[in-house]
Amino acid sequence: DTEVTQTPKHLVMGMTNKKSLKCEQHMGHRAMYWYKQKAKKPPELMFVYSYEKLSINESVPSRFSPECPNSSLLNLHLHALQPEDSALYLCASSQDYSGRGDEQFFGPGTRLTVL
Amino acid sequence: AQSVSQHNHHVILSEAASLELGCNYSYGGTVNLFWYVQYPGQHLQLLLKYFSGDPLVKGIKGFEAEFIKSKFSFNLRKPSVQWSDTAEYFCAVKPIGSEKLVFGKGTKLTVNP
Repeated sequence: DTEVTQTPKHLVMGMTNKKSLKCEQHMGHRAMYWYKQKAKKPPELMFVYSYEKLSINESVPSRFSPECPNSSLLNLHLHALQPEDSALYLCASSQDYSGRGDEQFFGPGTRLTVL
Repeated sequence: AQSVSQHNHHVILSEAASLELGCNYSYGGTVNLFWYVQYPGQHLQLLLKYFSGDPLVKGIKGFEAEFIKSKFSFNLRKPSVQWSDTAEYFCAVKPIGSEKLVFGKGTKLTVNP
């Protein structure tokens, strides 16, 4: 199994809603990532988890809250988002980040629209 | 700060034409290098990667790339493109020991039948 799965595929939410994005991998990878991708732009790194601990937060606003319940799961909790947060949110995983062979596998993404 | 430059924003070719997409990076240490492709409406897929060894690497779908260390370059090539190669192509660099994968801005490739 070389897949990273993400749910939901699409999400529409209001600015006062609370929602969560989910990501799962069963490749035994120990590093997991959240990226944000705007149309026609490259992915922008948001968070990195390594061995279930948050290792990088790229100065992301607190309305985005990541969580790694176990080594296979990664969540992104959303609260009080703004319309400019509308984007494709990508999850990725890699064996680990420190050595060679650390190719990142990407999920299909969640297309988020904030009204 | 590390950066990745992709020279072409949009490339338009006819089927059977040859392709070369440029990628240069700025980082003095050892890096892993990647080309990812994003077909319309689909997720990022790895085309090929360079970690070490032979600087000419072959990937999926007939793509190859050459790492030239002295030029800090990792250009993507394909001898004969097909309509199905229409996609966005991203070069990415990951310094060894770093958590961050740094992407270039991407090159949109349009192949006309």
